Amino acid sequence: AQKVTQAQTEISVVEKEDVTLDCVYETRDTTYYLFWYKQPPSGELVFLIRRNSFDEQNEISGRYSWNFQKSTSSFNFTITASQVVDSAVYFCALSDRYGGATNKLIFGTGTLLAVQP
Amino acid sequence: DSGVTQTPKHLITATGQRVTLRCSPRSGDLSVYWYQQSLDQGLQFLIHYYNGEERAKGNILERFSAQQFPDLHSELNLSSLELGDSALYFCASSPYQSSGANVLTFGAGSRLTVL
Repeated sequence: AQKVTQAQTEISVVEKEDVTLDCVYETRDTTYYLFWYKQPPSGELVFLIRRNSFDEQNEISGRYSWNFQKSTSSFNFTITASQVVDSAVYFCALSDRYGGATNKLIFGTGTLLAVQP
Repeated sequence: DSGVTQTPKHLITATGQRVTLRCSPRSGDLSVYWYQQSLDQGLQFLIHYYNGEERAKGNILERFSAQQFPDLHSELNLSSLELGDSALYFCASSPYQSSGANVLTFGAGSRLTVL
């Protein structure tokens, strides 16, 4: 079954610390996509990154970086030099094909990141 | 502003009542997805419409229904409300019918409180 596990329920760090959010997934598909979304205290879900299953290169965007390892079915997210504005719930998600083609997203339970000043 | 508009932002109602949540997708997006976010269930997929047609159902109760209109806006109808229906309901849109690469753009959500 398709599943996304975010074992870390809550993480608290002090500003400027680096923090890694873990994501482990299970899928029967050979082609799939992984996503990270951010949900700040205001409540909206904001797209951060999409990665397909054929591209295992790590990606860096400013203070954000993602490590995709197919061998361990993991797609971890690291924030370098965290800031208070990074405080949010972060969701990892997996695309799920159904009906032959159409996709939906399966979300993990989220990790609440609290960055203390 | 994501471009996906959801109304109302907040709604308080009583058990047994019926409510309608509305979603206007981003301009040009033909797909609309509804998700429910609750403390105990997390983010759950409810239903997907593409260009007016239902494409798939997820964990949607029989008391809930949805539709997508010719102008592409969508409504989620929740009836015979129970306390457990209290949740944040998200609408998301995307340009395409299919493809796992879809990036869903989410609205700000409608927070439903059932008393």
